[in-house]
Amino acid sequence: DGGITQSPKYLFRKEGQNVTLSCEQNLNHDAMYWYRQDPGQGLRLIYYSQIVNDFQKGDIAEGYSVSREKKESFPLTVTSAQKNPTAFYLCASSGTSGISEQFFGPGTRLTVL
Amino acid sequence: GQQLNQSPQSMFIQEGEDVSMNCTSSSIFNTWLWYKQDPGEGPVLLIALYKAGELTSNGRLTAQFGITRKDSFLNISASIPSDVGIYFCAGLIQGAQKLVFGQGTRLTINP
Repeated sequence: DGGITQSPKYLFRKEGQNVTLSCEQNLNHDAMYWYRQDPGQGLRLIYYSQIVNDFQKGDIAEGYSVSREKKESFPLTVTSAQKNPTAFYLCASSGTSGISEQFFGPGTRLTVL
Repeated sequence: GQQLNQSPQSMFIQEGEDVSMNCTSSSIFNTWLWYKQDPGEGPVLLIALYKAGELTSNGRLTAQFGITRKDSFLNISASIPSDVGIYFCAGLIQGAQKLVFGQGTRLTINP
């Protein structure tokens, strides 16, 4: 089945450690996105990539880094510079129907202890 | 950045009631999307709207692209327990490369 996978579903890390969240899609979509969601809040854009080997900062990129070496993959690293990393992280992708119809993965809940 | 005002923030209704929610902005959008998010899951796209005045249905859900292009509405008829969740609107401003999301409407249904 085509879709977006994020792993793991739950992730625990100690403060000061970098952690990488996985996002893979087999929809052949060109664009991929990372969002952060805090309890009771909407979605805030961290980074996005419209093509392989290119990406742009979103609204809250500080303390995060990404890479886009393959079309299918868009990993997000939460660095120790991110002051409040505990959150629900959502990956999305969009394809030939335009950048507007974004399809989301199941999310990764990161807890930093 | 751009903001969408989504209301109401939360709704508590009886099963079988109809539901209405909306999103407004001071900016003009050329696409409106409505998503539903279940607890602990990613949002699922319900309806996409591309033209001012467009009215689109998906089962018991109906969404409209406002004539002014600054607002959109979502209606759910005859609510059932599985409608519980958070509904998000999202919009795309012409020429922009990223969606703007509303803050969400949390729907709770009393059986």
